[in-house]
Amino acid sequence: GQQVMQIPQYQHVQEGEDFTTYCNSSTTLSNIQWYKQRPGGHPVFLIQLVKSGEVKKQKRLTFQFGEAKKNSSLHITATQTTDVGTYFCAGGSGGSYIPTFGRGTSLIVHP
Amino acid sequence: GAGVSQTPSNKVTEKGKYVELRCDPISGHTALYWYRQSLGQGPEFLIYFQGTGAADDSGLPNDRFFAVRPEGSVSTLKIQRTERGDSAVYLCASSENQMGEQYFGPGTRLTVT
Repeated sequence: GQQVMQIPQYQHVQEGEDFTTYCNSSTTLSNIQWYKQRPGGHPVFLIQLVKSGEVKKQKRLTFQFGEAKKNSSLHITATQTTDVGTYFCAGGSGGSYIPTFGRGTSLIVHP
Repeated sequence: GAGVSQTPSNKVTEKGKYVELRCDPISGHTALYWYRQSLGQGPEFLIYFQGTGAADDSGLPNDRFFAVRPEGSVSTLKIQRTERGDSAVYLCASSENQMGEQYFGPGTRLTVT
């Protein structure tokens, strides 16, 4: 079945440093979604990408969908303590919008 | 407006018992998903409803798990003969339609002793 892998599993940064998490799928995706889960909270939708090579920005967050639609990345510029949490990618394939979630990347920001 | 709600927030049960977990989606959302999440893992898909029908139940681990959504809004996840391995946070999410962004509820933490 489809597998979605995320790296790294954990990332420690100093406040102000940049952060990137990478998502790779074993199969071609029809779409990819990104979610953020704060400690003790539930996943909150950030964005969905559907087009090959698509790039979307939300303030300090930049999301990319690879040309082959098998990988994606989330980049945060100048991290803040409010960015702390686990970032999940979730990919859908085969015409299905039921996403397969990666294990997530936990971001720890040191003030 | 109100988001997705789930009850109970915590459930402790003994091995072998039956449990029901409830999800109230956002009003008007036709799509409803159940996931479970173990510590350090991403949400694992269980079942998806479009309206009243289970459009995809391929994620249910075995026949001890069952879910219903009889009127197309509230959904109940039912687990029979619970096992310790069923312990996890059970998350419900809803979306306006199959292609929409998913709104997650706060989850039910199930502990089987």
